[in-house]
Amino acid sequence: AQRVTQPEKLLSVFKGAPVELKCNYSYSGSPELFWYVQYSRQRLQLLLRHISRESIKGFTADLNKGETSFHLKKPFAQEEDSAMYYCAPSADRGSTLGRLYFGRGTQLTVWP
Amino acid sequence: NAGVTQTPKFQVLKTGQSMTLQCAQDMNHNSMYWYRQDPGMGLRLIYYSASEGTTDKGEVPNGYNVSRLNKREFSLRLESAAPSQTSVYFCASFSDYGYTFGSGTRLTVV
Repeated sequence: AQRVTQPEKLLSVFKGAPVELKCNYSYSGSPELFWYVQYSRQRLQLLLRHISRESIKGFTADLNKGETSFHLKKPFAQEEDSAMYYCAPSADRGSTLGRLYFGRGTQLTVWP
Repeated sequence: NAGVTQTPKFQVLKTGQSMTLQCAQDMNHNSMYWYRQDPGMGLRLIYYSASEGTTDKGEVPNGYNVSRLNKREFSLRLESAAPSQTSVYFCASFSDYGYTFGSGTRLTVV
């Protein structure tokens, strides 16, 4: 069965501290991996996808196939990073489908 | 503005009532999706439509029906609402660049 685990339901750090949001997945094949962010009272937005290897808002995520992990990292957290973060693999890589299976999310709070 | 539009934004239903959640996208995407978001559960896929005229079940389809009216519109129907369907519902469409989500419908069933 396909499974996504975000072990931390809540994560708090102080402004300027490094932050790492963990994501582990259990999938057959080679899924495409995404991180989505939901700021308070806003819709979900794409933050990162692993194939693009981009750095968005200072966040990066490295796919570790050996550990089946896709942790999200930022070296210096900002207050505006406070949000709910979802890791979401897709089993439909390379197709026109885009079914995502979301983790349960990590609520990040960055204190001033 | 281009994007995904959902209506209504809020709704309260009595147990047993029916309603349809509307979703429309103007980005010419083929694939459209309905998710529900519950505290501590993340988002779970209810139904999806890979293209106009096709629909398929997701993870949690029971109690719901969908209709892909045309390429733009994908509606979600609750025939007989139950308190367990109290949730926030998100519609989304998909392209090579990823998902675009609607702003959500907050549904309460009492």
